Amino acid sequence: DGGITQSPKYLFRKEGQNVTLSCEQNLNHDAMYWYRQDPGQGLRLIYYSQIVNDFQKGDIAEGYSVSREKKESFPLTVTSAQKNPTAFYLCASSTPPGQGRDEQFFGPGTRLTVL
Amino acid sequence: GQNIDQPTEMTATEGAIVQINCTYQTSGFNGLFWYQQHAGEAPTFLSYNVLDGLEEKGRFSSFLSRSKGYSYLLLKELQMKDSASYLCAAMDSNYQLIWGAGTKLIIKP
Repeated sequence: DGGITQSPKYLFRKEGQNVTLSCEQNLNHDAMYWYRQDPGQGLRLIYYSQIVNDFQKGDIAEGYSVSREKKESFPLTVTSAQKNPTAFYLCASSTPPGQGRDEQFFGPGTRLTVL
Repeated sequence: GQNIDQPTEMTATEGAIVQINCTYQTSGFNGLFWYQQHAGEAPTFLSYNVLDGLEEKGRFSSFLSRSKGYSYLLLKELQMKDSASYLCAAMDSNYQLIWGAGTKLIIKP
């Protein structure tokens, strides 16, 4: 079955530690996205990538980093520079924007808690 | 600036009809999306409108008025499983999605 996987579902880290969230898709989508979701707020875009080896900052990229070495994978690193990292992180993928409906398919999310 | 407004919370009765409104202001427009999100889960796609009018899909319908910057999601024959948050998102001229904060829908028996 095609889909997006994120691991782990729950993650606990100590303050000051870097942590990497995994995102893998087998939908053959070129575009991938990372969002952050906080209670009472809409999804906020952290980074996105429209093609392998290329990615752009979203609205809240500070304190985060990504890589896109393979089409299927788009890992997100939450660095110690991120001031408030506790949140629900969602990864999504889609066909390249501008080619039609462009709906984004989401992974199950990772809930990160920094202690 | 770019902005999406939708009510924070709505309550409806099982078997009834509910309409969730969304207004948007974006730099350019390339479509309006509705997603459903159950607590602690990923959003799932419900509908997409890019032209004015009503799109019907089973118990769910979505309407768009581009001139008014307005959309609504209509849910008929409500079921308990429809209790969820409903997210409105508009795609701007750069094909980026601008997301509303979501409307939490509570269904009562």
